[in-house]
Amino acid sequence: DGGITQSPKYLFRKEGQNVTLSCEQNLNHDAMYWYRQDPGQGLRLIYYSQIVNDFQKGDIAEGYSVSREKKESFPLTVTSAQKNPTAFYLCASSRTFGDLTFGSGTRLTVV
Amino acid sequence: QQQVKQSPQSLIVQKGGISIINCAYENTAFDYFPWYQQFPGKGPALLIAIRPDVSEKKEGRFTISFNKSAKQFSLHIMDSQPGDSATYFCAADNYGQNFVFGPGTRLSVLP
Repeated sequence: DGGITQSPKYLFRKEGQNVTLSCEQNLNHDAMYWYRQDPGQGLRLIYYSQIVNDFQKGDIAEGYSVSREKKESFPLTVTSAQKNPTAFYLCASSRTFGDLTFGSGTRLTVV
Repeated sequence: QQQVKQSPQSLIVQKGGISIINCAYENTAFDYFPWYQQFPGKGPALLIAIRPDVSEKKEGRFTISFNKSAKQFSLHIMDSQPGDSATYFCAADNYGQNFVFGPGTRLSVLP
């Protein structure tokens, strides 16, 4: 079945630690996105990539980094510079000008 | 101007009733208005979408009403069922540049 796989489902981060969230898609979509979801705030765009080896900052990119070395993969690193990382992180993909298809999310908690 | 407003924040409806969620936008460049449905612990999934050249779109029990002059659009769920209990997000897109999401409405349908 085609879709988006996010891993892990739950992730715990200690203070000052970098963590990487995985996102893989087999939909042959060109564009991939990372969103952060907080209660009552909807979905906010962190980074997006329209093609391999190119990506753009979204509305809340500070404290995050991404790479797009393969069409299928778009990992997100939450760095120690992100002061409030506890949230639900959603990866999505789309054809050019197409609808978003979301993964099942990774819930990150700072301990 | 990129903001999408959504109301109500939460909604409780009896089984068989009509659920209505409203959204408003400012940016007249938006040309695509999807609605996403999200169940707890899952990623959002596309429910129904409309372009501004039509005033209404119906798919089964779900209808979008669009008022271009008022820059408002709404989701109507007819004969609401307990299985419809979820969080609903409206969104707006500008020629595939980036989706802007509303803050979400948590719908509870009582049996």
